[in-house]
Amino acid sequence: AQSVTQPDIHITVSEGASLELRCNYSYGATPYLFWYVQSPGQGLQLLLKYFSGDTLVQGIKGFEAEFKRSQSSFNLRKPSVHWSDAAEYFCAVGAKTGNQFYFGTGTSLTVIP
Amino acid sequence: GAGVSQSPSNKVTEKGKDVELRCDPISGHTALYWYRQRLGQGLEFLIYFQGNSAPDKSGLPSDRFSAERTGESVSTLTIQRTQQEDSAVYLCASSLGVAKGDEQFFGPGTRLTVL
Repeated sequence: AQSVTQPDIHITVSEGASLELRCNYSYGATPYLFWYVQSPGQGLQLLLKYFSGDTLVQGIKGFEAEFKRSQSSFNLRKPSVHWSDAAEYFCAVGAKTGNQFYFGTGTSLTVIP
Repeated sequence: GAGVSQSPSNKVTEKGKDVELRCDPISGHTALYWYRQRLGQGLEFLIYFQGNSAPDKSGLPSDRFSAERTGESVSTLTIQRTQQEDSAVYLCASSLGVAKGDEQFFGPGTRLTVL
């Protein structure tokens, strides 16, 4: 069965520090992969997505993610975190056949000054 | 409008009552999705529309849940005989629907509380 795992429920980092949010998926083939951010009181916003090709994808707000097929992972990174990055982050998998999307349970990010 | 809108933003109802949740997608978006987000959990896929048809209803949790879409625009998610476990935020998203994996644009959600 398809699934998405975000092992870290909550992460706290200092402003200016680097960030990596983990995402592992279980899927029969290479799926479409997404990272969304949900800021307090706002809807989900797409940060970046991977369909094929270059396994390192760049997104908005200085985020990037790397697809590693051997590890079934799609970790999100940012070299220097800003206080405004505090939010909930969701990894998602989209099926290449069918129309379902599977979301992880999210990682809550706190940024301390 | 500029984005996906949902109404109401909050709904409190009593167990056993029926509720209707509305979603207005971005104009021109042919694909529409409904998700449920329970407290502390990820998004749970409910149903997908392409145009006015729902080729994938596999995520609907029970026959108390139904959804329809008219005019390739507005969609309504109906929950009959609500139960306390239905309490959640219900999110709607739309996409161009041209290709698989098109970016989904999410609405702000409807927070449903069943007493």
